[in-house]
Amino acid sequence: AQKVTQAQTEISVVEKEDVTLDCVYETRDTTYYLFWYKQPPSGELVFLIRRNSFDEQNEISGRYSWNFQKSTSSFNFTITASQVVDSAVYFCALKGGMRFGAGTRLTVKP
Amino acid sequence: DVKVTQSSRYLVKRTGEKVFLECVQDMDHENMFWYRQDPGLGLRLIYFSYDVKMKEKGDIPEGYSVSREKKERFSLILESASTNQTSMYLCASATTGVGNTIYFGEGSWLTVV
Repeated sequence: AQKVTQAQTEISVVEKEDVTLDCVYETRDTTYYLFWYKQPPSGELVFLIRRNSFDEQNEISGRYSWNFQKSTSSFNFTITASQVVDSAVYFCALKGGMRFGAGTRLTVKP
Repeated sequence: DVKVTQSSRYLVKRTGEKVFLECVQDMDHENMFWYRQDPGLGLRLIYFSYDVKMKEKGDIPEGYSVSREKKERFSLILESASTNQTSMYLCASATTGVGNTIYFGEGSWLTVV
């Protein structure tokens, strides 16, 4: 079975705080890809990152960073020095089966 | 830039009506998808298509059908709309290959009264 779990339904932080969004996945595939998407209030999903199962190197892009740990089947997303514009729903996805997590709503307060 | 266009942003339909949600992509992608998004449930896959006239059921196909007569267009059909189909519907497309990014449309808010 393929499944993605985002245990945090909602997170609220104050601007400039760091915040980590958790993602745990299940798959029997040996090759798979994991994604993070952002859905701002406008509704359209915006692609943030893709990671394949053979590459466990962490990635940093500006204030965003991702920690992929195959041993714990986790692909966590950290926003450093959060800003109000980061407020959105964030989805983790497992492409092999096109499965998405339930999403985490992040609210960043000024 | 890839563009996925959903024809209707907001619709209100009556119970029992037949509803068509249209989606067009302009990047010659083989794969197209329909999801519905509900609070607390995330995105759930209704149907997907990997080629013209080909379709596969997703996790929640009941009450829905799809049509893909042309590569760029993927339609979701609610044969007889019911109130429990009130939701946000998202269309997406992607090239072939398990690692390829899925591109989403803006979504269609459907209310069935």
